[in-house]
Amino acid sequence: DGGITQSPKYLFRKEGQNVTLSCEQNLNHDAMYWYRQDPGQGLRLIYYSQIVNDFQKGDIAEGYSVSREKKESFPLTVTSAQKNPTAFYLCASSPHPWGGGNQPQHFGDGTRLSIL
Amino acid sequence: KQEVTQIPAALSVPEGENLVLNCSFTDSAIYNLQWFRQDPGKGLTSLLLIQSSQREQTSGRLNASLDKSSGRSTLYIAASQPGDSATYLCAANYGQNFVFGPGTRLSVLP
Repeated sequence: DGGITQSPKYLFRKEGQNVTLSCEQNLNHDAMYWYRQDPGQGLRLIYYSQIVNDFQKGDIAEGYSVSREKKESFPLTVTSAQKNPTAFYLCASSPHPWGGGNQPQHFGDGTRLSIL
Repeated sequence: KQEVTQIPAALSVPEGENLVLNCSFTDSAIYNLQWFRQDPGKGLTSLLLIQSSQREQTSGRLNASLDKSSGRSTLYIAASQPGDSATYLCAANYGQNFVFGPGTRLSVLP
């Protein structure tokens, strides 16, 4: 079945450490997104990519980095510069950027990141 | 600023009731509006997508309406079941970004 796979499901970060969250999709979608979800708040966009080797900052990109070397993969690195990284991170994809053609976004099952 | 709000924040109903969840958006220039379901510790599952030119969409027991002029969308769930218990989020698509609401947490009691 096609879908989005995020790993790991749970991740713990030590002070000063960078950690990388994996996101892989086999839907052949061009666009991929990373969101952060905090309790009681809507999803907030971290980074998005419309095509391979291209990505753009979202609303809360500080302290995060991404790469898009392959169409199916869009890993997110949470750097030590992100002082409040504890959150639920969701990866999504869509056939076209920003729902062009009115296609819905598809989401992975998320990674919960906590501070040790 | 583009913002999306959802009322109520939480809702608890007995099984079998019909219910309405509300979503409001401040900027009416949307491309489409999407309703999602999120189970605890899981990602979002798309339920319904209403294009800006549409008034409503239906899928099974779910019906979503859209009133762009007033900046509102509602999700109607008929004959609720315990399996409907989840958080329901709406998202407004503005063409270069999706703005998500905080969600309504629904509990359907057997």
